[in-house]
Amino acid sequence: QQQVKQSPQSLIVQKGGISIINCAYENTAFDYFPWYQQFPGKGPALLIAIRPDVSEKKEGRFTISFNKSAKQFSLHIMDSQPGDSATYFCAARGGTGGFKTIFGAGTRLFVKA
Amino acid sequence: GAVVSQHPSWVICKSGTSVKIECRSLDFQATTMFWYRQFPKQSLMLMATSNEGSKATYEQGVEKDKFLINHASLTLSTLTVTSAHPEDSSFYICSAPASTGSQETQYFGPGTRLLVL
Repeated sequence: QQQVKQSPQSLIVQKGGISIINCAYENTAFDYFPWYQQFPGKGPALLIAIRPDVSEKKEGRFTISFNKSAKQFSLHIMDSQPGDSATYFCAARGGTGGFKTIFGAGTRLFVKA
Repeated sequence: GAVVSQHPSWVICKSGTSVKIECRSLDFQATTMFWYRQFPKQSLMLMATSNEGSKATYEQGVEKDKFLINHASLTLSTLTVTSAHPEDSSFYICSAPASTGSQETQYFGPGTRLLVL
């Protein structure tokens, strides 16, 4: 019920390409779905987030697509750059958990120059 | 945005000793903070919820007597790893929710790397 499943585990993309990371959740009470970016040795930083009443949210090169009926959401990074190389975590929170945030397993993205 | 700091950023200790890690919200108050543990190349696993003025709530499988949490004020939570052993070596990260505009966002600290020899 509390799991957030994330794929792929790792991803290699050419510079300028599109990076796509997918997540699925089980708990329908979740009402907030953030994506975090983490560089080695650093804490995660919020990248973009979405609520289930919206099917898509775009901020710069980053877009979240949300499919409530399928309980899936994805992160698209357009025009991927070497500086985007990091680990990305999808997450979910809400329902009886309140602010408790459940993280996906993470995706290590490497953008080739 | 809001800032969460952690101290120390890294610590090396001998097996059997206790280590205290501080988490501070620098420009906002947090009645709740969260402690996570992250092993190399793995995800963040929630350990406990720190509550100002009351006992912490621990996740299943986390030993509350080993990982002592004290939420001393609205800007400070501490995690003490008691009688640390090599298997406790990990990256410990705290977070705190803060209101930014119309929504509340979770802000994470920079993490504390613990190495137990």
